[in-house]
Amino acid sequence: GQNIDQPTEMTATEGAIVQINCTYQTSGFNGLFWYQQHAGEAPTFLSYNVLDGLEEKGRFSSFLSRSKGYSYLLLKELQMKDSASYLCAVRDNYGQNFVFGPGTRLSVLP
Amino acid sequence: GAVVSQHPSRVICKSGTSVKIECRSLDFQATTMFWYRQFPKQSLMLMATSNEGSKATYEQGVEKDKFLINHASLTLSTLTVTSAHPEDSSFYICSARRVDRNNEQFFGPGTRLTVL
Repeated sequence: GQNIDQPTEMTATEGAIVQINCTYQTSGFNGLFWYQQHAGEAPTFLSYNVLDGLEEKGRFSSFLSRSKGYSYLLLKELQMKDSASYLCAVRDNYGQNFVFGPGTRLSVLP
Repeated sequence: GAVVSQHPSRVICKSGTSVKIECRSLDFQATTMFWYRQFPKQSLMLMATSNEGSKATYEQGVEKDKFLINHASLTLSTLTVTSAHPEDSSFYICSARRVDRNNEQFFGPGTRLTVL
């Protein structure tokens, strides 16, 4: 089966750092993606990990441990506009399908 | 970049009518497109995989006769919600898979369907 878990909601303060965790148990694995989604809009791509380790992209970093079925998204220097849902998605072995996690709703407070 | 468009962005219709949503890959060819549905405060749920020139593959629990998918060209897939009912009101999002970008999926802006 496919199971992806994320915290439902998180709150952080402007300027702070927040880490959003994602654990997964899927029948196949060919990469893990993080997307940002503002209310009423489509998801936008943030990061992609297929090998273990940390990928850094500006204020956003994503980490993957395949042996632990674990990833996190790290957001630094939080801004109000970072208030959004963050979706973790795992791509299956054949590269065809994504399985999305439930999403984490992040609220950034002043 | 890789741009995917959807039309219309919003649609309000009466119960019992059919609604067609278009998904286009604007600057690349996509043999595979995906249709997702998202209810408020929930994550994306894959409805079906649309393959150019062949029948769509539907996820369990999705009625293929109610959600008609046509992928007639390498840049266009359509989803028709037939005999729509209020419970079909949702945010419908398509994505197109780009083979030359490591099979990454690029999402359209979504279509908000409201059935009265």
